[in-house]
Amino acid sequence: DAGVIQSPRHEVTEMGQEVTLRCKPISGHNSLFWYRQTMMRGLELLIYFNNNVPIDDSGMPEDRFSAKMPNASFSTLKIQPSEPRDSAVYFCASSLNRVGSNEKLFFGSGTQLSVL
Amino acid sequence: QKEVEQDPGPLSVPEGAIVSLNCTYSNSAFQYFMWYRQYSRKGPELLMYTYSSGNKEDGRFTAQVDKSSKYISLFIRDSQPSDSATYLCATSFSGGYNKLIFGAGTRLAVHP
Repeated sequence: DAGVIQSPRHEVTEMGQEVTLRCKPISGHNSLFWYRQTMMRGLELLIYFNNNVPIDDSGMPEDRFSAKMPNASFSTLKIQPSEPRDSAVYFCASSLNRVGSNEKLFFGSGTQLSVL
Repeated sequence: QKEVEQDPGPLSVPEGAIVSLNCTYSNSAFQYFMWYRQYSRKGPELLMYTYSSGNKEDGRFTAQVDKSSKYISLFIRDSQPSDSATYLCATSFSGGYNKLIFGAGTRLAVHP
């Protein structure tokens, strides 16, 4: 298996532009997570999907952020409009989550976002 | 107060040293405890996983949880330059949806 695939690896954009990050989870996994990592705040959960349905979006910073999972093999995280404080590494992770268990997360290699 | 506190380091040790990495947490309801390793420009990968209190050993790595003091430790014996990475502790509650709470990560450098 190729693991969790994220694209692009790097994104440089100007303030006010729309940014779309993409993620392909591991085949067969039913849970997908978007995380953001910064030096100041560490690794923060933005949103969690289970069976393509958003379950917990309490970590989404504000309305400028939105995430979708149209099918089991694809998810997007969109920022519109982007701001310099959104600069961070964004990770997608997936797992096979079963009720009552704690399955490990498999992370992608991340998207380094720089908003100028 | 953060739910999981971890000294960001950096920690620099010579090859062969025993490394001790630590975290503290505030919520006594946490049941699962994990250590993730993150190499530069890569995503975190699960290294060790324990449930409730006790020790778990895997090769050169030992994870220890002391729920009475809310303290999590990772020991690395005979450290190698390939162990140079950032180590993140993480905790979660038991149950169906296990939202992981991560520490800030400790950057470790093992020099030859």
